Amino acid sequence: GDQVEQSPSALSLHEGTGSALRCNFTTTMRAVQWFRKNSRGSLINLFYLASGTKENGRLKSAFDSKERYSTLHIRDAQLEDSGTYFCAAALYAQGLTFGLGTRVSVFP
Amino acid sequence: DPKIIQKPKYLVAVTGSEKILICEQYLGHNAMYWYRQSAKKPLEFMFSYSYQKLMDNQTASSRFQPQSSKKNHLDLQITALKPDDSATYFCASSQDGQGLSGNTLYFGEGSRLIVV
Repeated sequence: GDQVEQSPSALSLHEGTGSALRCNFTTTMRAVQWFRKNSRGSLINLFYLASGTKENGRLKSAFDSKERYSTLHIRDAQLEDSGTYFCAAALYAQGLTFGLGTRVSVFP
Repeated sequence: DPKIIQKPKYLVAVTGSEKILICEQYLGHNAMYWYRQSAKKPLEFMFSYSYQKLMDNQTASSRFQPQSSKKNHLDLQITALKPDDSATYFCASSQDGQGLSGNTLYFGEGSRLIVV
């Protein structure tokens, strides 16, 4: 079954507002990585976490391995934050297991 | 400028034919990977290489064969193509293998393959 459950599948935000994306894991993961797919289809690194929280500008991420979840918070959303966000967790020795993504649309 | 170059960006192939997807990375990384994303499915891990050696293979079919002629190259040869092979294939790299230190993964822009 699905090992990485990402929610919501889609999210609409007005500029200046914020929200949270979440990934639940069906098993204990070693680490999580968050990406955003840009307009060219490239996956851009946002965060890598083995535990705890990290913040970068208006984005903040948390990972709780024991409770099997990770979150990505967007605050003061801007138009350029639109895109599809993916979380990916390290389960296998070498590969990441991805969620289906959250499509974020930011409106003026 | 993209640091991971994938070629071609788009490819249409006939069922039964053979194609090679090219990947070169200029990040100085030691580990490289292939992932695949089919319609309505999450990105799926296929292979990982570290120092040009196969580390992990999660692909059931032997029709998919990675080829590493240099440390910064990891091509993917696909033989006897089937319509179900239609997907976007992403190459990725990291400083070292994910299993060793969980290094951050960097992705190329993908090669979209359509098999007719």
